[in-house]
Amino acid sequence: DAKTTQPTSMDCAEGRAANLPCNHSTISGNEYVYWYRQIHSQGPQYIIHGLKNNETNEMASLIITEDRKSSTLILPHATLRDTAVYYCIVRATLKTSYDKVIFGPGTSLSVIP
Amino acid sequence: DVKVTQSSRYLVKRTGEKVFLECVQDMDHENMFWYRQDPGLGLRLIYFSYDVKMKEKGDIPEGYSVSREKKERFSLILESASTNQTSMYLCASSQGPNTQYFGPGTRLTVL
Repeated sequence: DAKTTQPTSMDCAEGRAANLPCNHSTISGNEYVYWYRQIHSQGPQYIIHGLKNNETNEMASLIITEDRKSSTLILPHATLRDTAVYYCIVRATLKTSYDKVIFGPGTSLSVIP
Repeated sequence: DVKVTQSSRYLVKRTGEKVFLECVQDMDHENMFWYRQDPGLGLRLIYFSYDVKMKEKGDIPEGYSVSREKKERFSLILESASTNQTSMYLCASSQGPNTQYFGPGTRLTVL
């Protein structure tokens, strides 16, 4: 799986949009971009994933650049409960069905009141 | 919504005890996984299962065994707990190669 690079930490004011960047310059054509987050002492929570097109769900939006070498996760109105470590990973879902998930260090997002 | 539940959030055991961690998923997923997560080491795969009664070793299976008698349930067993098995244990499930959904985690302390 391709490696990703994320900033170590970010702050965001409550109620504002949180934009979390991720670089994945060596991504392959069959690799998806996934985002998870992990609130302190809890299990990782799946947020969203995409291949080429921008995606939106009830939690977030995912913007993938046209060359697919980077992406941004957008939390449109951050709340204090969004304070967590956010992991961007790339995975080829065409591989064997029992492929492990590998998280990098992620971005520690702090939402400030 | 996919739901993955784990039997305990916090567990304290003594060295040498046999420990059972249970995981249940309610989405009829084929695949189930056990990871442990430690500071600075990230997520490490212990065992996974792609079908009932089937299991495969992950990266760090030593000291652990697993059981999958029913599709929805995957158990992790520490045969004789040791202090270096103090960790956060995470169960996950997936349908085929798709998104893995994680449980809330069990923080195990071995004294």
